[in-house]
Amino acid sequence: DTAVSQTPKYLVTQMGNDKSIKCEQNLGHDTMYWYKQDSKKFLKIMFSYNNKELIINETVPNRFSPKSPDKAHLNLHINSLELGDSAVYFCASTQRTTGELFFGEGSRLTVL
Amino acid sequence: DAKTTQPTSMDCAEGRAANLPCNHSTISGNEYVYWYRQIHSQGPQYIIHGLKNNETNEMASLIITEDRKSSTLILPHATLRDTAVYYCIVRVFTGGGNKLTFGTGTQLKVEL
Repeated sequence: DTAVSQTPKYLVTQMGNDKSIKCEQNLGHDTMYWYKQDSKKFLKIMFSYNNKELIINETVPNRFSPKSPDKAHLNLHINSLELGDSAVYFCASTQRTTGELFFGEGSRLTVL
Repeated sequence: DAKTTQPTSMDCAEGRAANLPCNHSTISGNEYVYWYRQIHSQGPQYIIHGLKNNETNEMASLIITEDRKSSTLILPHATLRDTAVYYCIVRVFTGGGNKLTFGTGTQLKVEL
């Protein structure tokens, strides 16, 4: 069983479109994250949710809206996609009391 | 969070120990040292963490200097599969959001 799974793995779309990436974890963790890794390989935190509550919100454009329907799921919706949004997006989960994050395999988004 | 400094890249012969250094001279008393790695195109993987004492698990050993200003991750018998970018991160352990900030890391190349 995959601990942290993301769908889709690859996503190619046109500028201006709206797209979503889904993440699910079966580890029973209470905290989930979205990280973005750009072409220069910098890995930056975007959001974190604990028990469906937003607890970390970095300086991310309003076009990015995370949603956590329950503590096992954290989805990322992106409106009006731009070229600069092209990146690999990683979902991660952990128990809030630890710093041991479990990452998914990533979702590679390409905006044309 | 304390900043970390790591060499950009290192080489290691297969079967030999890989010693990856990290400087964190501004670390605070309650900040933990975490190590993660990212194998090409995969999600980051937790390796080990520590506060003051040296730590060992099935993957690696972590040696933290007495003044806590630097640490070394040791892979005792490196294999080709250990080729990856290794990230040293210091983070306050808190019940609030764990915001692990990834730097540029060390690209470890294990060769025959």
